[in-house]
Amino acid sequence: EPEVTQTPSHQVTQMGQEVILRCVPISNHLYFYWYRQILGQKVEFLVSFYNNEISEKSEIFDDQFSVERPDGSNFTLKIRSTKLEDSAMYFCASRRLNTGELFFGEGSRLTVL
Amino acid sequence: GEDVEQSLFLSVREGDSSVINCTYTDSSSTYLYWYKQEPGAGLQLLTYIFSNMDMKQDQRLTVLLNKKDKHLSLRIADTQTGDSAIYFCAERDDYKLSFGAGTTVTVRA
Repeated sequence: EPEVTQTPSHQVTQMGQEVILRCVPISNHLYFYWYRQILGQKVEFLVSFYNNEISEKSEIFDDQFSVERPDGSNFTLKIRSTKLEDSAMYFCASRRLNTGELFFGEGSRLTVL
Repeated sequence: GEDVEQSLFLSVREGDSSVINCTYTDSSSTYLYWYKQEPGAGLQLLTYIFSNMDMKQDQRLTVLLNKKDKHLSLRIADTQTGDSAIYFCAERDDYKLSFGAGTTVTVRA
């Protein structure tokens, strides 16, 4: 069964460092998302992406964050200068158009020290 | 804006049915979802329902949608210990999914 894959599964970084989280969405999917979940808290929307541009972004998704689809398969989330409060599990998700099925990856745990 | 509310905890005896309730506010939601999250794991899509339906059944899972009251429920029949997890309700508009805080379901023997 096709799945969304994310790397790395866990990254530890120093405050102020840049981090790139990678996602490979399901191959025929066209709509992509990043979410985050701070430990014990709600799953929060960061950004949605379609047709090579951002469709919507939340207040969390400030200038420190960016997304890119550098080739036909990867979808990346970059955090330019990490802060302690960026420590969270980051989930990528994808779906096709005009369908209900929306699948998440297993997540990338980011720990900022 | 979107607001999704769920009760935080549910305790159920093994073999009984579990019912998890959710309310949402966005009347433009196109789909409504239930996801399951086990400790330290990702979000597993359990089931979803299109907003013009009122019921969907998938094996042990039954989703009921009352669009007038903006109320969604998930019934798990014959609850097993492997059903212990956090269950998230979510609504989707054209651009994003908005999640509730999650209901922690504990199955006791």
